[in-house]
Amino acid sequence: EDKVVQSPLSLVVHEGDTVTLNCSYEVTNFRSLLWYKQEKKAPTFLFMLTSSGIEKKSGRLSSILDKKELFSILNITATQTGDSAVYLCAVAPYNNDMRFGAGTRLTVKP
Amino acid sequence: DSGVTQTPKHLITATGQRVTLRCSPRSGDLSVYWYQQSLDQGLQFLIQYYNGEERAKGNILERFSAQQFPDLHSELNLSSLELGDSALYFCASSVGGIKGDEQYFGPGTRLTVT
Repeated sequence: EDKVVQSPLSLVVHEGDTVTLNCSYEVTNFRSLLWYKQEKKAPTFLFMLTSSGIEKKSGRLSSILDKKELFSILNITATQTGDSAVYLCAVAPYNNDMRFGAGTRLTVKP
Repeated sequence: DSGVTQTPKHLITATGQRVTLRCSPRSGDLSVYWYQQSLDQGLQFLIQYYNGEERAKGNILERFSAQQFPDLHSELNLSSLELGDSALYFCASSVGGIKGDEQYFGPGTRLTVT
């Protein structure tokens, strides 16, 4: 059965710290992996990754995919309190049955 | 604001009843996805429509059904409601094709079944 596992489940850091969130997956007919940020509302799109080894970057956030080892990481540098959220990893196979991980709850303390 | 709209924002109803949730995708998006998010289950994919046709089915109960209309808005129908159906229901839309995985979520409908 397809599955997406995120770790850690929760993380507490202080402003300025760098964090690495992990996502491993087992999916048949992998097409892409996506990262979302969810605060107290709907998930917002961060990155879509389809190729191994190519880093996607947006400001202090970056992500990379390893299709051989079946995982992705999301890095956040110089964290701010506004980064506090649940970060969701999702995998989209070719049959479009998106699978989401349970999420990592990040708390950034001032 | 993602450009995806959902109505109503909140819905309170009794067990055994039937409700309809509505979603309007972003302008230009052909795909609509429905998700259920509950505290113990996380975000669960229910169903996807692309340009009016069902494209993929996830963990959708037989009591639930959906459709996408010619104007591309979509409705999710939930019937014979049970207490366990209480959840946040999200609609998301995307362009479709390889870029279709970039989904933009609506604000959600919070359903409470009493």
